Amino acid sequence: GQNIDQPTEMTATEGAIVQINCTYQTSGFNGLFWYQQHAGEAPTFLSYNVLDGLEEKGRFSSFLSRSKGYSYLLLKELQMKDSASYLCALNQAGTALIFGKGTTLSVSS
Amino acid sequence: DSGVTQTPKHLITATGQRVTLRCSPRSGDLSVYWYQQSLDQGLQFLIQYYNGEERAKGNILERFSAQQFPDLHSELNLSSLELGDSALYFCASSVDQGKNSPLHFGNGTRLTVT
Repeated sequence: GQNIDQPTEMTATEGAIVQINCTYQTSGFNGLFWYQQHAGEAPTFLSYNVLDGLEEKGRFSSFLSRSKGYSYLLLKELQMKDSASYLCALNQAGTALIFGKGTTLSVSS
Repeated sequence: DSGVTQTPKHLITATGQRVTLRCSPRSGDLSVYWYQQSLDQGLQFLIQYYNGEERAKGNILERFSAQQFPDLHSELNLSSLELGDSALYFCASSVDQGKNSPLHFGNGTRLTVT
């Protein structure tokens, strides 16, 4: 199995930077994905990493280290609308995208 | 709007009953995925179809079945429903078999079993 671990909850203030970590135990995978999900809504794709390193997309960046079994999602210039769950997911051969339980981020003013 | 359409949005039914959830993928997408999301379990992968054929299976119960039709829409059938089947059921689609292409999710069907 993938055993994807994320912190359950995080809090931050508007304008700040927050890093959401994801660790996993798996023998191999194609790519690591990050999704955002507002309560009761559909998950929406944010970013993905295939190779080690940093992928930047506007206020959001994602990092992957395969050797360390570790990824993080970095959110800059936080806004109230960023309050949501952030889901780390792995794509392994022979199965579809497998999600962690997600990190609920609360942004306050 | 992801382009993935799910119907119905809400479904309320009694234990022991059978329901069918429907999904139309984004135009051009060949893969369809079904996920179940309950409060304590997160997003659980159920099953994937690619161009009409079953491609991968996750934690899908024997009481549940799915298929993808020639026009690429998919249906998820849930039978002998139990209270614990109450959840949000999401359909997602991707252009290929999903190796490194993102999934695009529909707005889900909220199933309540009473």
